[in-house]
Amino acid sequence: AQSVTQLGSHVSVSEGALVLLRCNYSSSVPPYLFWYVQYPNQGLQLLLKYTTGATLVKGINGFEAEFKKSETSFHLTKPSAHMSDAAEYFCAVSDYNNNDMRFGAGTRLTVKP
Amino acid sequence: NAGVTQTPKFQVLKTGQSMTLQCAQDMNHEYMSWYRQDPGMGLRLIHYSVGAGITDQGEVPNGYNVSRSTTEDFPLRLLSAAPSQTSVYFCASRGQGAVTGYTFGSGTRLTVV
Repeated sequence: AQSVTQLGSHVSVSEGALVLLRCNYSSSVPPYLFWYVQYPNQGLQLLLKYTTGATLVKGINGFEAEFKKSETSFHLTKPSAHMSDAAEYFCAVSDYNNNDMRFGAGTRLTVKP
Repeated sequence: NAGVTQTPKFQVLKTGQSMTLQCAQDMNHEYMSWYRQDPGMGLRLIHYSVGAGITDQGEVPNGYNVSRSTTEDFPLRLLSAAPSQTSVYFCASRGQGAVTGYTFGSGTRLTVV
């Protein structure tokens, strides 16, 4: 079965600083990887996804993630944090043979002024 | 374009009561799923469906039933509510292929007392 580990349940950065949220996955077949964002009292919104092809994936709101097969990682980054980025972020893994998606425990991002 | 609609948004149940959480999507998506979200545990899959008339169990199916009589609707039934089922429930749908990622509803916050 596939699984995801997100390192750090809480991350705090200053406005303008680099955002780095870590995600490692486990999968016996080529994975599809996703990052979702959840704002308070809302559902999850897709930030970006990796399926095949280019390993550096760009998403909405200036976020990007790099698929590194050798490290089984899919870390999320943003060069300069904004106050509006404060939310919870979930990494998820799926593959073409599965009909479900497995999520990590989430990382809550706080942005300090 | 409503996307995925969940009702109710909030519900309080007494232990032993039954209820149905409603989920409807208007995107003609074949795949629909129910997740529960608990602090520190991310989202866990309860049940999923790959099309009308077809359902299957996820990670945490005990205490829940589902059916899929139409493409649009995927209700989740709690047969006899327990305090351990206090959670936020999300319904999600996607089109063909895991590559598309899921569209999530806004959630139902359920408290069992």
